[in-house]
Amino acid sequence: NAGVTQTPKFQVLKTGQSMTLQCAQDMNHEYMSWYRQDPGMGLRLIHYSVGAGITDQGEVPNGYNVSRSTTEDFPLRLLSAAPSQTSVYFCASSYSLGLAGDEQFFGPGTRLTVL
Amino acid sequence: AQKITQTQPGMFVQEKEAVTLDCTYDTSDPSYGLFWYKQPSSGEMIFLIYQGSYDQQNATEGRYSLNFQKARKSANLVISASQLGDSAMYFCAMRERTTGNQFYFGTGTSLTVIP
Repeated sequence: NAGVTQTPKFQVLKTGQSMTLQCAQDMNHEYMSWYRQDPGMGLRLIHYSVGAGITDQGEVPNGYNVSRSTTEDFPLRLLSAAPSQTSVYFCASSYSLGLAGDEQFFGPGTRLTVL
Repeated sequence: AQKITQTQPGMFVQEKEAVTLDCTYDTSDPSYGLFWYKQPSSGEMIFLIYQGSYDQQNATEGRYSLNFQKARKSANLVISASQLGDSAMYFCAMRERTTGNQFYFGTGTSLTVIP
């Protein structure tokens, strides 16, 4: 059981480049989400999904796209990278939806630098 | 308004002493969950403890306990018998049913355990 996996662990981009951060989970979780973590700001929700084919925006969605074609995978796409997107990105998953009490399991994070 | 507020950016505690990390939350949803996560310097997010809004008793997990005061909307984390390995960032989080079970995180408290 690998839990939540993220690739790559580190990435350097130039302004204007696009890329996809990969996230996968093998726990059959319905709920998946992407966060960015910046110093002094905690974790901020970018996008989330409550099941395959369903996604929604979080607090800071601009500049990012997501899709959820399978239960397992939830990639995050940066459309045109900007220095303001330099951050650590975490993917997380949890059981559903019906109960508020299900904890989130986090991936190891991706450290992204945009020059 | 902030959903989760952590007012202590940094805390110090002597080894073997107890420490309380503060967390207040804002919600009008009667069904919600409160979580604490630990983030050591290695960067991973580790789930510590959970309290449900309908739980009558304070949650405990080993040396961690959650001081849940519903009327005051506070969910403070108490770490007893601090150890050097407790030095880390600690994040309080909340999940509400009415917002699609999104998680909201505070800005975190950096705890340093002094030998």
